[in-house]
Amino acid sequence: GENVEQHPSTLSVQEGDSAVIKCTYSDSASNYFPWYKQELGKRPQLIIDIRSNVGEKKDQRIAVTLNKTAKHFSLHITETQPEDSAVYFCAASISGGGNKLTFGTGTQLKVEL
Amino acid sequence: SQTIHQWPATLVQPVGSPLSLECTVEGTSNPNLYWYRQAAGRGLQLLFYSIGIDQISSEVPQNLSASRPQDRQFILSSKKLLLSDSGFYLCAWIRQGHTDTQYFGPGTRLTVL
Repeated sequence: GENVEQHPSTLSVQEGDSAVIKCTYSDSASNYFPWYKQELGKRPQLIIDIRSNVGEKKDQRIAVTLNKTAKHFSLHITETQPEDSAVYFCAASISGGGNKLTFGTGTQLKVEL
Repeated sequence: SQTIHQWPATLVQPVGSPLSLECTVEGTSNPNLYWYRQAAGRGLQLLFYSIGIDQISSEVPQNLSASRPQDRQFILSSKKLLLSDSGFYLCAWIRQGHTDTQYFGPGTRLTVL
């Protein structure tokens, strides 16, 4: 089955700096890659996603890049703010069928003032 | 509008007691539904998924079971809880019109004592 590895497990940045979280996947058939943000005690919230026919996608301060050849994708947050502090999860799935998501182990992002 | 509900929000149960968690969705028909468990400080583990009534797949063998008595209702059950069943149980669905994207319900926090 699919295996998703995520790094780093913790990341501390200064407010205004950029943050980058990286994930690798094992199944070359995976073609959908969402990112979720989870604040303490709350449900994961989708923040951005990318499909395999696209190399990069951007939404304001958040961007995701995908390298299908290397089987890795990354989340980029620019101009970080304290409210960006949370746990971020990457995931991968194959469209169709059960659309089962395999999640990475999460990255605790802390944005310091 | 399309919404997802989970009940109860929190639950404290003794070891060996039964369990029933409910997930219901509104505003759509025949959605894909998913049950995840998140242990404290950990990632999300897919437990069950369903692409329709009478179509439930188990991802991890354990003392939990799932049922889908109605198109928009997904139940997670156990006959006898273990200490290791403690965690944050999240139901997710794919909304009508969204091909792959899973959205999470508010979750049930289960503590087994």
